[in-house]
Amino acid sequence: ETGVTQSPTHLIKTRGQQVTLRCSSQSGHNTVSWYQQALGQGPQFIFQYYREEENGRGNFPPRFSGLQFPNYSSELNVNALELDDSALYLCASSTRGAGANVLTFGAGSRLTVL
Amino acid sequence: QKEVEQDPGPLSVPEGAIVSLNCTYSNSAFQYFMWYRQYSRKGPELLMYTYSSGNKEDGRFTAQVDKSSKYISLFIRDSQPSDSATYLCAMTSQGGSEKLVFGKGTKLTVNP
Repeated sequence: ETGVTQSPTHLIKTRGQQVTLRCSSQSGHNTVSWYQQALGQGPQFIFQYYREEENGRGNFPPRFSGLQFPNYSSELNVNALELDDSALYLCASSTRGAGANVLTFGAGSRLTVL
Repeated sequence: QKEVEQDPGPLSVPEGAIVSLNCTYSNSAFQYFMWYRQYSRKGPELLMYTYSSGNKEDGRFTAQVDKSSKYISLFIRDSQPSDSATYLCAMTSQGGSEKLVFGKGTKLTVNP
């Protein structure tokens, strides 16, 4: 059974650019959540995807968007990057309704915006 | 006021010490409480999951929830160097929800 895998592990972008981060969910999981973890902070919920639709969103602007694919993998897209977007982006997969008890996090994609 | 407050430390203890980690929260709707461990360059992994008030024990780890005080704790007995990590508390109001509210995390170092 594979866990949650994320790519790329590290990337550097400049202000104003766009970035796409990818996540493969754990086998058997159908829900993907994305979190942003700034340095020295706890993770903050960005949004969740279930059945290829956004299903809950945290306090993040519309330039943060996502996709979920039929195989339950997911992408996080961030447009018009700002310096404050520098963070570790965590993907977590689970089974719908099972909650945190089965929530499995990936190792994250570390984004640096210069 | 943040919904969840956690002292970021850092906390440094000798091997074998009892470690106490704490979080306070302001949202009385929170009913499900978790502790995660995050090693450097890794994602958080779930250590303890508790519902409402009370204690839960798992090996060297004990989680306590006091809803009346809006206070949760994690105790680590006989701490080991392998326990060195950042410990994050998290909570949510719905058991089936994956939308968790995290504390800042406490960085713990256990010295041999």
